[in-house]
Amino acid sequence: EAQVTQNPRYLITVTGKKLTVTCSQNMNHEYMSWYRQDPGLGLRQIYYSMNVEVTDKGDVPEGYKVSRKEKRNFPLILESPSPNQTSLYFCASSLVGNTEAFFGQGTRLTVV
Amino acid sequence: GENVEQHPSTLSVQEGDSAVIKCTYSDSASNYFPWYKQELGKRPQLIIDIRSNVGEKKDQRIAVTLNKTAKHFSLHITETQPEDSAVYFCAARPTLIFGTGTRLQVFP
Repeated sequence: EAQVTQNPRYLITVTGKKLTVTCSQNMNHEYMSWYRQDPGLGLRQIYYSMNVEVTDKGDVPEGYKVSRKEKRNFPLILESPSPNQTSLYFCASSLVGNTEAFFGQGTRLTVV
Repeated sequence: GENVEQHPSTLSVQEGDSAVIKCTYSDSASNYFPWYKQELGKRPQLIIDIRSNVGEKKDQRIAVTLNKTAKHFSLHITETQPEDSAVYFCAARPTLIFGTGTRLQVFP
């Protein structure tokens, strides 16, 4: 089954403790992207990648890192999480170009 | 970079009425405009899209129009039903930037 898988689905952590949210897709998509969703602010892009070893900042990259060492995986890294990074995070993937993007199930992160 | 604005933020309609959601974008290089529906607690899912070489596209009760000159595109839902209640997002590619969303409520 074609899908985008994020892990974990839910995470509660403490300020400053490094964490990684994984994203994996099995559709051979070149494009992958991370978003955070906050009430009233929609889906804001954090980072995106057009292909392996190619990543670019989105609108809200501060406090986040990503890597794209292989096509199927695009992990989101929070080196020192802060409470303002409490949010619902979505990973998405697609072919490059004018095509549908598919979303993961979402990761609800709480930083206390 | 691209900026997408979406209005209104909330929309309440009676079942059977029409609903219209409007978006504007800033980057004239954008050439693909999808619309996503997000039901409560679920991931966004594509409901319709339009490419820059097309002015209008229709799929049953939903339609999208695009005015490239004005950099506007709109989602039209006719004969609304309670199951249309959700948050709707417009977006623009190539980098897939989203609007802030419209919460649509359809009252029986």
